Amino acid sequence: NAGVTQTPKFRILKIGQSMTLQCAQDMNHNYMYWYRQDPGMGLKLIYYSVGAGITDKGEVPNGYNVSRSTTEDFPLRLELAAPSQTSVYFCASSYPGGTIGNTIYFGEGSWLTVV
Amino acid sequence: QKEVEQNSGPLSVPEGAIASLNCTYSDRGSQSFFWYRQYSGKSPELIMFIYSNGDKEDGRFTAQLNKASQYVSLLIRDSQPSDSATYLCAVKTSYDKVIFGPGTSLSVIP
Repeated sequence: NAGVTQTPKFRILKIGQSMTLQCAQDMNHNYMYWYRQDPGMGLKLIYYSVGAGITDKGEVPNGYNVSRSTTEDFPLRLELAAPSQTSVYFCASSYPGGTIGNTIYFGEGSWLTVV
Repeated sequence: QKEVEQNSGPLSVPEGAIASLNCTYSDRGSQSFFWYRQYSGKSPELIMFIYSNGDKEDGRFTAQLNKASQYVSLLIRDSQPSDSATYLCAVKTSYDKVIFGPGTSLSVIP
């Protein structure tokens, strides 16, 4: 029962490097989300997707890109990493409707440091 | 105006007391409301969700929703030291975005 799987768990990037955070879910959820959480702060929505081929910006999309080619996968791309992108990144998914409703299920997080 | 706001913390209550956490939201079209708990270094975990006006109880937790006032709250009865965590209010807006508030840190003092 994997749920939402994120990789890598920890990563150190140098300024200007690029990388992709991987996210996969095996619950057949339509909706997927990427959040970032800075120390002592709440979660900020970066991008979200309501289905394969559909993505939309959240609260803080600058410096990031996403794609959703399949229902299962929702990778987050960081281009030209900056120190301001040092954060914990959470991928999440949900299935709209039903008695469970739109409950979001989170991955374990990816700790990213840009130096 | 921020989309989701929560009462500023940290909040400290003695063991056995009632902890009250509040949240307001700006999008009147929002339909789903959630309370998550997050321990340091961990991912958020769902405590409760609520869709209809009124109260919803689950064990020691009660969520209250007032859509007219755009207000949702969480009451924790008989607070325990293990309840010490950050509590996050989340709102699914009319645009299908799920926005989180900044969180309220709760400390339950033995």
